[in-house]
Amino acid sequence: DAGVIQSPRHEVTEMGQEVTLRCKPISGHNSLFWYRQTMMRGLELLIYFNNNVPIDDSGMPEDRFSAKMPNASFSTLKIQPSEPRDSAVYFCASRGLAGFNEQFFGPGTRLTVL
Amino acid sequence: DAKTTQPNSMESNEEEPVHLPCNHSTISGTDYIHWYRQLPSQGPEYVIHGLTSNVNNRMASLAIAEDRKSSTLILHRATLRDAAVYYCILRAYNNNDMRFGAGTRLTVKP
Repeated sequence: DAGVIQSPRHEVTEMGQEVTLRCKPISGHNSLFWYRQTMMRGLELLIYFNNNVPIDDSGMPEDRFSAKMPNASFSTLKIQPSEPRDSAVYFCASRGLAGFNEQFFGPGTRLTVL
Repeated sequence: DAKTTQPNSMESNEEEPVHLPCNHSTISGTDYIHWYRQLPSQGPEYVIHGLTSNVNNRMASLAIAEDRKSSTLILHRATLRDAAVYYCILRAYNNNDMRFGAGTRLTVKP
């Protein structure tokens, strides 16, 4: 298995633009997590899905952020409009039923908003 | 959520054992103790987890205090590749998510 796949790996955009980050979880996993990591705030859980349904989005910073999971093999995190303070590394992770205790993280997307 | 406290940083010499402490004095009876680590420029990776008993796997050992208010991650023989930030996290048995703290940055000296 290729592991969790995220795209793009790097994104540079200008303030006000829409940004879409993509994640393909490990096949067969039923939980998906989006995290954001910055130097100031560390690694923060933004939202997670079980069986494609959002369970807890309390970590989503504001209405500019939205996440979807249209099927078991794909999820997006969208920021519209983007702001410089959104610059961070965004990680996606997935977890299967059998491995309830282990989340598998993707390589991350480094977002820079100018 | 129950919180954890870890030292900001630790140093170790290569090929020596490393003991990474974690305090979790407000842990509840059904909280699992998880350890993840994050190598430079990578996403976090699972290391080990436990509930009450000490645990061993190919990567490390986890020693849990009898009162469960603290735990220690043990790397039996540190290598340069073990240099990373190590996170100690509590997860409720019926809860899907984990909240990462600041972790301990481990430096391994050759």
